[in-house]
Amino acid sequence: EVELLESGGGLVQPGGSLRLSCVGSGFTFGSYVMSWVRQAPGKGLEWVSTLSGSGSSKYYADSVKGRFAISRDNSRNMMYLQMSSLRVEDTAIYYCAKAIGMGLPPSFDSWGQGIPVTVSS
Amino acid sequence: EIVLTQSPATLSLSPGERATLSCRASQTIAHFLAWYQQKPGQAPRLLVYDASNRATGIPARFSGSGSGTDFTLTISSLEPEDFAVYYCQQRSMWPQTFGQGTRVDI
Repeated sequence: EVELLESGGGLVQPGGSLRLSCVGSGFTFGSYVMSWVRQAPGKGLEWVSTLSGSGSSKYYADSVKGRFAISRDNSRNMMYLQMSSLRVEDTAIYYCAKAIGMGLPPSFDSWGQGIPVTVSS
Repeated sequence: EIVLTQSPATLSLSPGERATLSCRASQTIAHFLAWYQQKPGQAPRLLVYDASNRATGIPARFSGSGSGTDFTLTISSLEPEDFAVYYCQQRSMWPQTFGQGTRVDI
């Protein structure tokens, strides 16, 4: 059974930084495209970033480009999202998501339970 | 950026009824559309991918159709556990985008 578990969220001041982690199990982690998707309180889903299985190809939403950095360590079945210059509007639940198939952009067949990030002074 | 418009915003139905949810893309996306279900406090769950392929473990009462710009998710007979918010998502081009959601209420 595929499992994804996020960690690292919390409260941070505007302009601050935070690193989210996602550990995967139940599948060959390095063979799959992985992504981060977020959901602001009471709002819909917003794609944030996607990383190829090898880690060589990275994609970002315009809203986070230049501030967020996605990476992975396939030896540890881990994916990361380094978030810098955080803004109030980055407040959301952040989900780690696994791609279905090899196509890009991906759809997501497995999701973590989500981790809240609050940016507030 | 491709904009996905879902309608209606809210659908009020009873168990056993048929639900028809619509998703319209601002430009053609071939068959690259997925549908997700989200219940309060839970992560989204993939129902249908590439317009008409049911995801693993999804009951047969869920079906997807459409291509180009117009897509439909049909729930043939609503079960109590189907009352939730449904999102469509396009993966035709970057950035992949989601619709604003349709809430299916009792």
